[in-house]
Amino acid sequence: DVKVTQSSRYLVKRTGEKVFLECVQDMDHENMFWYRQDPGLGLRLIYFSYDVKMKEKGDIPEGYSVSREKKERFSLILESASTNQTSMYLCASSLQPLTQYFGPGTRLLVL
Amino acid sequence: ILNVEQSPQSLHVQEGDSTNFTCSFPSSNFYALHWYRWETAKSPEALFVMTLNGDEKKKGRISATLNTKEGYSYLYIKGSQPEDSATYLCALDQGGSEKLVFGKGMKLTVNP
Repeated sequence: DVKVTQSSRYLVKRTGEKVFLECVQDMDHENMFWYRQDPGLGLRLIYFSYDVKMKEKGDIPEGYSVSREKKERFSLILESASTNQTSMYLCASSLQPLTQYFGPGTRLLVL
Repeated sequence: ILNVEQSPQSLHVQEGDSTNFTCSFPSSNFYALHWYRWETAKSPEALFVMTLNGDEKKKGRISATLNTKEGYSYLYIKGSQPEDSATYLCALDQGGSEKLVFGKGMKLTVNP
């Protein structure tokens, strides 16, 4: 079974803090994704990566950056957390074809 | 802007009722349509990947159909059970990209 893990289920941070969300997959998938999910808005793509050190902006990249130094790990970075980044963050990975396998999510609260 | 629409947005049914919900998408540049189930406190889980017009897939009491010419897919649950309570997501793959475009989801609550 594919396993995608995320470093935290719940996280509380203060405005202005730098926040790291980590995601690890164990199935050698090339593609990895970060989404956020907000009520009434569905899943929105922040960034994705199709290979080590490669990254592409999704639909809402502002305020975020990513890092993929190893194939199995994809990190989402909030350089200076703001209250409008309070959300559920989901990581996913995929091979071709594009069924994505999701992690359990990190619920982030920025105070 | 590419829009994937799901309707209804939420549904409350009694145990034993059958449910039917819709995912609409632009029919141009279609490659595949994905359905996911997302239970509370769990990861979204893939249900179906549909690629061919007229496709019908089934998994237990859940089935899905696809019409790529008119741009819609139906998800049908026969005899809903409380454990079917979840948010159901559809996602469009237009090909040529690693990205999926998700609908906003449909929250199903099945009351015992």
